[in-house]
Amino acid sequence: GESVGLHLPTLSVQEGDNSIINCAYSNSASDYFIWYKQESGKGPQFIIDIRSNMDKRQGQRVTVLLNKTVKHLSLQIAATQPGDSAVYFCAESPTGGFKTIFGAGTRLFVKA
Amino acid sequence: GAGVSQSPRYKVAKRGQDVALRCDPISGHVSLFWYQQALGQGPEFLTYFQNEAQLDKSGLPSDRFFAERPEGSVSTLKIQRTQQEDSAVYLCASTPVRTSLEQYFGPGTRLTVT
Repeated sequence: GESVGLHLPTLSVQEGDNSIINCAYSNSASDYFIWYKQESGKGPQFIIDIRSNMDKRQGQRVTVLLNKTVKHLSLQIAATQPGDSAVYFCAESPTGGFKTIFGAGTRLFVKA
Repeated sequence: GAGVSQSPRYKVAKRGQDVALRCDPISGHVSLFWYQQALGQGPEFLTYFQNEAQLDKSGLPSDRFFAERPEGSVSTLKIQRTQQEDSAVYLCASTPVRTSLEQYFGPGTRLTVT
């Protein structure tokens, strides 16, 4: 299949461990922050989003943390599974607009 | 149900040729987005449609790029006089309402300009 990111930052974790993927964003005016997962040869898939007035949001096996003071976003994946292997992108959605800005991505490898 | 589909999945064009990339969003979805994704990079916003109206085309890299969605459903991204730097995966996404959140992406069209 196609390779999404050949030179991306990489995180390698053991199956069953928790994963933490970090992202720094640039626009303080962004209203929403979003995490997407992209598997090789596929388009990005929505995971979870968080509004700028929140600092934590939980989904199924995932938690997103937002630290506006240092403009930092993280995605925590609990009990990482081989199917979680992919490239993960954080994205910003501006207030009142539709132009979503994606970060560079992190490749997650899950070792069985 | 059916997701977002794009065609062709792969396109090879000689430099200077025109290409047309098609996106079929999920039926009934109001918003449609086009992105360009270079190898090893995140998707970069190109343009946004709300129904048939193109509300934001600020990401189109040059006047060789043109997008349309005449009936508010299928969209076409056209690139005229292709250049090697146009080689990338072109992604289409849609959402059911007027939002950029939780976008449903198609598989993309990989364009290679030789």
